[in-house]
Amino acid sequence: GAGVSQSPRYKVAKRGQDVALRCDPISGHVSLFWYQQALGQGPEFLTYFQNEAQLDKSGLPSDRFFAERPEGSVSTLKIQRTQQEDSAVYLCASSSGNTQYFGPGTRLTVL
Amino acid sequence: AQKVTQAQTEISVVEKEDVTLDCVYETRDTTYYLFWYKQPPSGELVFLIRRNSFDEQNEISGRYSWNFQKSTSSFNFTITASQVVDSAVYFCALSEASWGTSGSRLTFGEGTQLTVNP
Repeated sequence: GAGVSQSPRYKVAKRGQDVALRCDPISGHVSLFWYQQALGQGPEFLTYFQNEAQLDKSGLPSDRFFAERPEGSVSTLKIQRTQQEDSAVYLCASSSGNTQYFGPGTRLTVL
Repeated sequence: AQKVTQAQTEISVVEKEDVTLDCVYETRDTTYYLFWYKQPPSGELVFLIRRNSFDEQNEISGRYSWNFQKSTSSFNFTITASQVVDSAVYFCALSEASWGTSGSRLTFGEGTQLTVNP
């Protein structure tokens, strides 16, 4: 079946712009996670959804970061007033148990 | 707090050599999961294996094998007869155990860049 998909794959934003990153999980997967991966680093947890409920958002670095999953399927990660330090790859993963399957990521570059 | 340490930042080998990637972890949980993921240049994290903390049996899958030792909090990964296509960044990760369909965040190590030269 289809894996996790993310769009866009690449996004260039000017500092101060708002961006929205989309994640389509594997069909039927209850859990959805967002991670941020800086260059040369391991991914770091941002937030977690179980169906439409955001159960953990402790990893979001600031109140400029916001995530939603209104119908328990597709999720959107929004970053307001982007800063240069937001430049990273944003990874989405979904799971129906204890193994997370990742999408290809969105590479965000803030100029 | 959970922590995963991959002390080897980069490893370079010649094709057909065996190579072991080290992973050491810290957790206060009594039940947890350990994972290895591969990240090729394309960027997508590819799941390789999951181990439960209560199952210390070593596992072999083709050219890949994993050695889990709870006594030393290590979960090492060996590639036998390495190939150029094995070149990638490999991540070790840890999560607390969860039940049913809920999930737990992954804590990743910094990754090991493996380069296999022809």
